Amino acid sequence: DARVTQTPRHKVTEMGQEVTMRCQPILGHNTVFWYRQTMMQGLELLAYFRNRAPLDDSGMPKDRFSAEMPDATLATLKIQPSEPRDSAVYFCASVKDPPGYEQYFGPGTRLTVT
Amino acid sequence: AQSVTQLGSHVSVSEGALVLLRCNYSSSVPPYLFWYVQYPNQGLQLLLKYTTGATLVKGINGFEAEFKKSETSFHLTKPSAHMSDAAEYFCALSGAGSYQLTFGKGTKLSVIP
Repeated sequence: DARVTQTPRHKVTEMGQEVTMRCQPILGHNTVFWYRQTMMQGLELLAYFRNRAPLDDSGMPKDRFSAEMPDATLATLKIQPSEPRDSAVYFCASVKDPPGYEQYFGPGTRLTVT
Repeated sequence: AQSVTQLGSHVSVSEGALVLLRCNYSSSVPPYLFWYVQYPNQGLQLLLKYTTGATLVKGINGFEAEFKKSETSFHLTKPSAHMSDAAEYFCALSGAGSYQLTFGKGTKLSVIP
């Protein structure tokens, strides 16, 4: 049963620390998304990649967030420095071509910044 | 521009009663429409999708939805609610050729025994 995996599942850190979240998309899926979910804002698209190239990162605060795909099996989202307002659940999702197919979501990383 | 509106942030139904969750959309291109379910502390799981063809689509767990172009709606229904249906439901939209999903704000379904 192919699924998207994310690590860590939970992360508690202090303000100012670097946070790295990892995602392994489903094998063969070449488009990867990062979302953030909060009670106030709901689901927000942060960035997405196709064939490892960033297509859109307009949803990310550029000064502190960065997203990369070092290879086809790993996507990373980094926050440096972290702030309490970054506390949220971060989801990764992947989809195979052609566009318009359903996205498969990972279980999320719950981040708490104190 | 695309948008998705889910009517009712919270819906309560009795066990065994009809479930109806409403979704209206706006899209300048033919839409692909999806319903996702999110159980507590879990990711989103696809319930069903409409791309082209038959406008009544059936999904998992007894849910179905009907695409009505004239009403720009894609409401989700289930004839008889079960306690295990309690979750948050998201309607989402993409356009043909687009990778991005536009999500509604979600509807939390409570099932009363």
